[in-house]
Formats: sequence, structure tokens, C-alpha cells
Amino acid sequence: KAGVTQTPRYLIKTRGQQVTLSCSPISGHRSVSWYQQTPGQGLQFLFEYFSETQRNKGNFPGRFSGRQFSNSRSEMNVSTLELGDSALYLCASVLTGGSLYNEQFFGPGTRLTVL
Amino acid sequence: SQKIEQNSEALNIQEGKTATLTCNYTNYSPAYLQWYRQDPGRGPVFLLLIRENEKEKRKERLKVTFDTTLKQSLFHITASQPADSATYLCALLNAGNMLTFGGGTRLMVKP
Repeated sequence: KAGVTQTPRYLIKTRGQQVTLSCSPISGHRSVSWYQQTPGQGLQFLFEYFSETQRNKGNFPGRFSGRQFSNSRSEMNVSTLELGDSALYLCASVLTGGSLYNEQFFGPGTRLTVL
Repeated sequence: SQKIEQNSEALNIQEGKTATLTCNYTNYSPAYLQWYRQDPGRGPVFLLLIRENEKEKRKERLKVTFDTTLKQSLFHITASQPADSATYLCALLNAGNMLTFGGGTRLMVKP
């Protein structure tokens, strides 16, 4: 079974631009969560989607948004990029049932650099 | 506020020894606690989940304990190998139903 895939793997943007990252969960997984990882703040929860609905949201500004499609693929968007948005963005999927108590399967991440 | 704390200093041990990593939490009443391994440039990989009514859980060379009175989990790797070198993260589900991770502890196993 294929793992979680994320595209692109690397991205370089400039301040003020916007970016869209994509995540394809493991087949059959309906819950997708997004995390931001930086050396200073560690791994921080952004939001979680289940069956195309945002179920939970972390403490991030409105510039960070996401969506999930009917095939469970998810995208996250960051508008008006700031230097501090440079990070590794990780997507994780959970087995059907979608409880966050269950094992999270992480993708390889997208490394975003904002110049 | 809710906090999860892991030793931010790297843990250096000799091959063959037991590595013990600590995860302390405050203002949580978690039903579950998870441990993950992360290698540089990669996403975390799930290792073990322990429930509040399970004092100890084992998987091959890994052992996790969960003390809800001390609000602490210990993660042990016995007979450690250089391939065990990585960052280890603990995670809890918080009151807002968000999975919150500790900052992780980097383990270095020297041959």
C-alpha cells in the first residue's frame, strides 16, 4: 500500500506570495492533519480534515487554510507569506474512523523556504 | 496551560546500552500517549501507543511506561544500535482534540 505523498517536496517563495501544498493520504484513510515543523517551535498542529470537513484547527492565523476533496486528498494554502513561514510542512493521515488517538501516518513533508 | 516537555539536550549513549527518554506533561489528563521516531528530513514514524490503564508496553527492543500520577512517560530502547540514532517525539491528544507533540529528544548511539 502506498504511503502518504506530499507535493512538492521543496518550494522557494518570496514574501507576500501565496503557496498551495498537496497531500494524498493512504488509500482508505479519511482523516488528514497538517503540521508545521520549525527548529524553534517544533511540530505544531495546523488543522485536521475528515470527510471534507475541518474538524479541528490549531492556533495559526487565518492566512493558513486548507481543504479536503471527496477522494480525501487535501491541500493547504498559505497566503501573504512571511519569512517565519519557512518550515517543514507535514501531512498525516489516520485509518478510517479518523480518531486522532490512532496512529498517524506521516508523509515526507514539503520544505518551504520564504525569502 | 498544557505543556509537553522532553529533554531538548541530545542523549549520547554507547552501543549496546539502554537509552531512556523522558516525556513530562502538565495540565493534561490523557487517555493515550504516543511515541514517534523522526529522522532528519523525514516525517515522524509511529512507534508505540500506550493507554492510561497500561502501565507498560513493549515492542521488540522498545518499552514505554506511563505514570499518570507523575504525569510522565519513559521510553526505553534496550541493546541500542547506531541505527536507533534519531529524534524521538511523544504526543498527547489535548482538550481541543489536537495532537500535541513534545519538542523531541535527539538520541545518538555511538559504536
